[in-house]
Amino acid sequence: KQEVTQIPAALSVPEGENLVLNCSFTDSAIYNLQWFRQDPGKGLTSLLLIQSSQREQTSGRLNASLDKSSGRSTLYIAASQPGDSATYLCAGEYGNKLVFGAGTILRVKS
Amino acid sequence: EAQVTQNPRYLITVTGKKLTVTCSQNMNHEYMSWYRQDPGLGLRQIYYSMNVEVTDKGDVPEGYKVSRKEKRNFPLILESPSPNQTSLYFCASRGGTSYEQYFGPGTRLTVT
Repeated sequence: KQEVTQIPAALSVPEGENLVLNCSFTDSAIYNLQWFRQDPGKGLTSLLLIQSSQREQTSGRLNASLDKSSGRSTLYIAASQPGDSATYLCAGEYGNKLVFGAGTILRVKS
Repeated sequence: EAQVTQNPRYLITVTGKKLTVTCSQNMNHEYMSWYRQDPGLGLRQIYYSMNVEVTDKGDVPEGYKVSRKEKRNFPLILESPSPNQTSLYFCASRGGTSYEQYFGPGTRLTVT
């Protein structure tokens, strides 16, 4: 069974700090891995997608890496801001579905 | 603007009263899917569709139906809703050469 785990479940950091969110998956036969952001009561916003043949993707202050052999992905957020406060979800694509982790709740304090 | 829309956004209904949640995308995507999000269980796939008239079950299809008569629309049908279908529902689409999935804003359903 494909499972995706995210650590930590919650994280509180002061503004300006660099931080890393972790995602691990049990099945390495992953098509791609996608990171999302979810604000309270809102939908999911796609942040980064890493295809299985890629190692990392970058967008602004965000950098995501993928290591299929170890079953891990990380999302690096540089110079965090209060506006980054949200729940971050990683999802592995297997066939025709996304398997989601439970998310990391991030709070950036000003 | 490229987007996935869902209606209604909020719905409170009673057990057994048939309802439909609509989903529409304007990106000409072939693939569409439905997920439900529950505390402690995360997001789980209900149904998906690879193209018009092609649908298949996800991980939690019981109590739901879907149809895909047009490429842009993928409605979710609850023939006889029950309280355990109280949840936050998301529609998603993907298409072209991109693997990126786009999600709608969600529909919060309460069944009493």
